[in-house]
Amino acid sequence: GESVGLHLPTLSVQEGDNSIINCAYSNSASDYFIWYKQESGKGPQFIIDIRSNMDKRQGQRVTVLLNKTVKHLSLQIAATQPGDSAVYFCAENPIYNQGGKLIFGQGTELSVKP
Amino acid sequence: GAVVSQHPSWVICKSGTSVKIECRSLDFQATTMFWYRQFPKQSLMLMATSNEGSKATYEQGVEKDKFLINHASLTLSTLTVTSAHPEDSSFYICSASPGVNTEAFFGQGTRLTVV
Repeated sequence: GESVGLHLPTLSVQEGDNSIINCAYSNSASDYFIWYKQESGKGPQFIIDIRSNMDKRQGQRVTVLLNKTVKHLSLQIAATQPGDSAVYFCAENPIYNQGGKLIFGQGTELSVKP
Repeated sequence: GAVVSQHPSWVICKSGTSVKIECRSLDFQATTMFWYRQFPKQSLMLMATSNEGSKATYEQGVEKDKFLINHASLTLSTLTVTSAHPEDSSFYICSASPGVNTEAFFGQGTRLTVV
């Protein structure tokens, strides 16, 4: 069936370096994508989102890139900090007019070394 | 951002008993809420869509008689795990959106352990 997948299950970076987390999606009809951060024992926390009419969106220290041609999504975290250590999920909303019904990718665990 | 609250944060129950988990949108109304399940080291899997004033819509493979969902008001949805068994032990998470085409806000999750 349709799914959102990630290339890297784990990622270890040095504090201060930039991090890049990748995600591939398969539903070409999806037009809304979100990145979430989940710390242990907590619910997902919204980081940044992007709609399919954009290819790049920037937030505070984070940038999301969307390549619809190859159905690829990435999250870039600048100057990674120890507090960024968590599991990161990409999610897609395949139904444009039903906000919140999301399909999640498998997740990437980011570990930041001091 | 909007706040979604779940209660309880964790619960331990005996096998065969039922457990109710509440999901509340604290500062907005939500006609639709969503329930997810997450096993350790795995992703979130959508279980069902909770619709205010009508029946919930369950994803394929989710037993509606086992996971009872009630959405009696615009700010509250409940998930009841009936006749719980150890394999039902998991992290249950709800989400809600203030409107269509808007981001979803998640509750803090409920850790259910069935012994």
